[in-house]
Amino acid sequence: EVQLLESGGGLVQPGGALRLSCAASGFAFSTYAMTWVRQAPGRGLEWVSSISTGGDNTYYADSVKGRFTISRDNFKNTLYLQMNSLRAEDTAVYYCAKYGNSAGNGYFDYWGQGTLVSVSS
Amino acid sequence: DIVMTQSPDSLAVSLGERATITCKSSLTLLYSSDNKNYLAWYQQKPGQPPKLLISWASTRESGVPDRFSGSGSGTDFTLTISSLQAEDVALYYCQQYYLTPWTFGLGTKVEIK
Repeated sequence: EVQLLESGGGLVQPGGALRLSCAASGFAFSTYAMTWVRQAPGRGLEWVSSISTGGDNTYYADSVKGRFTISRDNFKNTLYLQMNSLRAEDTAVYYCAKYGNSAGNGYFDYWGQGTLVSVSS
Repeated sequence: DIVMTQSPDSLAVSLGERATITCKSSLTLLYSSDNKNYLAWYQQKPGQPPKLLISWASTRESGVPDRFSGSGSGTDFTLTISSLQAEDVALYYCQQYYLTPWTFGLGTKVEIK
């Protein structure tokens, strides 16, 4: 059974930093691209960042480029999102998700339960 | 960025009746080299993460009831629930994966009339 378990969310002041983790199990983690998608309270879904299987290719939404860094550890089956210079508008539930096929097509077939990031003074 | 426009924002349908959601993209999602439409549909219930229902515009995921179907090509797509059940009350999102940044529609809320 595929499982994705996010952690690391919490309350942080504007300008602060957080590191999210997503522990994956139940599939061959190293053979799938992975992604982070966020959802602000009461709002829709926003793609944040994606990473290739080996971690050598990364992609970011313009809204987070230069502030967030996605990475992965294929030995630990874990995905990360380092978030720096956080802003109030980054407040959201952050989901990690698995790409739906090993070709890297950008639909997501498994999602974690999400971790809430709140940016407020 | 490709803009995904869903309609309606919400709809109320009687149990057993048909629900239809449309999704329009600002750019074609049909890739000529493989003749595939790069569009997915998700269902999200309150307090839960999204669940993939359909990929490639019309390919239902394993375990998804066959009352859910996707159709359309190019820029115009439809998600149909042929006979609405109580457990189908949810938000539904379309998403394009033709070009990064991957973008979602704003969602359609489906309720029971």
